[in-house]
Amino acid sequence: NAGVTQTPKFQVLKTGQSMTLQCAQDMNHEYMSWYRQDPGMGLRLIHYSVGAGITDQGEVPNGYNVSRSTTEDFPLRLLSAAPSQTSVYFCASSFTSNTEAFFGQGTRLTVV
Amino acid sequence: GESVGLHLPTLSVQEGDNSIINCAYSNSASDYFIWYKQESGKGPQFIIDIRSNMDKRQGQRVTVLLNKTVKHLSLQIAATQPGDSAVYFCAETGDYKLSFGAGTTVTVRA
Repeated sequence: NAGVTQTPKFQVLKTGQSMTLQCAQDMNHEYMSWYRQDPGMGLRLIHYSVGAGITDQGEVPNGYNVSRSTTEDFPLRLLSAAPSQTSVYFCASSFTSNTEAFFGQGTRLTVV
Repeated sequence: GESVGLHLPTLSVQEGDNSIINCAYSNSASDYFIWYKQESGKGPQFIIDIRSNMDKRQGQRVTVLLNKTVKHLSLQIAATQPGDSAVYFCAETGDYKLSFGAGTTVTVRA
């Protein structure tokens, strides 16, 4: 049982490049979410999904897209990377929004 | 906007003493509250949770208290150990969104 797996662990992008952060879970969780963590800011919700085919915006969605074609996967896409998107990104999953969330190990992204 | 926040950004505690970490929330519609622990370089780990129909819940060495009247949440750690050094976050769920506070850094002194 791998839990929540995020790839890559580290990434450096140039301004304007696009990329996809991968997130997969093997716990058959319906609810998945993406957060970014900046120093002194805690975790801020980017996008979330209550089930396959359903996504919604969180607190800081601008510059990011998501899709949920399967229960297991919830990729986060950066369309045109900006230095302000330098952060640590965490993916989480849970059975519902009202149950324990399990987090991945994070992706440290630097945009230069 | 409504948010979850913590009273203190840092807490230094002597090994063996009890720790109390506080959290204030403002969303009166929130019905589920969680405490997470995050060690350096790792993702947050679940510690304990509590639902809005309860005011106290105990786990192994940890107790969460919920005061809905003043919208206050606290985490008590008994007999604090060096391995308890970490950042602690409270989080709340409302409208399908899990929102986090800024975190409290706990340092355990030997």
